[in-house]
Amino acid sequence: DARVTQTPRHKVTEMGQEVTMRCQPILGHNTVFWYRQTMMQGLELLAYFRNRAPLDDSGMPKDRFSAEMPDATLATLKIQPSEPRDSAVYFCASGLREGEAFFGQGTRLTVV
Amino acid sequence: EDKVVQSPLSLVVHEGDTVTLNCSYEVTNFRSLLWYKQEKKAPTFLFMLTSSGIEKKSGRLSSILDKKELFSILNITATQTGDSAVYLCAVENSGGSNYKLTFGKGTLLTVNP
Repeated sequence: DARVTQTPRHKVTEMGQEVTMRCQPILGHNTVFWYRQTMMQGLELLAYFRNRAPLDDSGMPKDRFSAEMPDATLATLKIQPSEPRDSAVYFCASGLREGEAFFGQGTRLTVV
Repeated sequence: EDKVVQSPLSLVVHEGDTVTLNCSYEVTNFRSLLWYKQEKKAPTFLFMLTSSGIEKKSGRLSSILDKKELFSILNITATQTGDSAVYLCAVENSGGSNYKLTFGKGTLLTVNP
């Protein structure tokens, strides 16, 4: 049963540490989104890729966040250095057709 | 900047009640509006709406889009406790061959027995 897989599911880290979140999109999907969800802001789009090329990362703080797709089966979101305000659930979603976004289960990040 | 506003932010009802959730939007290059249900984990897809006035229906849930007034509603009839969730509205901005989804903050629905 095809699904978007995210790892890790939970991450607790100290402020200043590097955090890497990984996403395996559904096989064959050519669009990958990274979202961050908090109580205050809801779901915010951080970045998205089409055919592995970054199309829009304007929602991402560039000084500490980076997103890449080293290959079609892996997307990464990195935070360096992490800060307490980065604590949130980070979702990856993938799609093939317009309007499609199948979500992974999310990575719950806590920065202490 | 694309904007999606949902109301109410939260709603508490009793089983059997009918609820209407609202979503208004401002977006350049509108392509579609989508509704998602989020329980404890990932959002799951409910509806995609592209044309005004055409109701989409799935069981007790239905939704309709008004592209002139820039809003959509999601109706749930005969609510059940299993309908308790956050309902998210998203709009798709399509520039050329690319597309992205902008989400509202959601409506938290609580259905009490």
